[in-house]
Amino acid sequence: AQSVAQPEDQVNVAEGNPLTVKCTYSVSGNPYLFWYVQYPNRGLQFLLKYITGDNLVKGSYGFEAEFNKSQTSFHLKKPSALVSDSALYFCAVRDPLPSYGNNRLAFGKGNQVVVIP
Amino acid sequence: KAGVTQTPRYLIKTRGQQVTLSCSPISGHRSVSWYQQTPGQGLQFLFEYFSETQRNKGNFPGRFSGRQFSNSRSEMNVSTLELGDSALYLCASSLDSGSNQPQHFGDGTRLSIL
Repeated sequence: AQSVAQPEDQVNVAEGNPLTVKCTYSVSGNPYLFWYVQYPNRGLQFLLKYITGDNLVKGSYGFEAEFNKSQTSFHLKKPSALVSDSALYFCAVRDPLPSYGNNRLAFGKGNQVVVIP
Repeated sequence: KAGVTQTPRYLIKTRGQQVTLSCSPISGHRSVSWYQQTPGQGLQFLFEYFSETQRNKGNFPGRFSGRQFSNSRSEMNVSTLELGDSALYLCASSLDSGSNQPQHFGDGTRLSIL
């Protein structure tokens, strides 16, 4: 069964500094990986995905993520954090098999990101 | 393009009652998935519907059920409510089932059990 680990509960970063949110995964085949962000009293907002191809994936709002197959990691990064980036971030994995009838996502526990002005 | 719409946003029920939550997917999306979010268990997959058929089911008791209509709108029902069912219930839609397209989430229904 697929699973995701987000080892840190909270990430504190000063505004303007680089932001990294860590994620490792476990899946039987080649993974489909996703990052989502959640603001208070809202649903999850899609940031980016890795399906195949280039290991560096660029997404919305200046976020990017690096896929590392040997380390089974998919860390989220942003070169310069903004106060408005303060939110809860979720990494998710989907096992691409079986390909039909499987949209099931396994989520990590989430990381609270606090950007300090 | 309108996003995923979930109604109601907030709901208060008492133990033993039943509840029905509604989800309207993004226009053209045929797959609808449901997730439960709690502080203790995080985000857990409930089930997925595609073309009015349940495609996948998570590890939840039979009190949790759902259905999908021909217009792709979906409902989930929880019967004999328990205190532990208090959670944010999120609906997500995608174009189809099993593709590499991301799921898009609604803002959820917050269910509180008294």
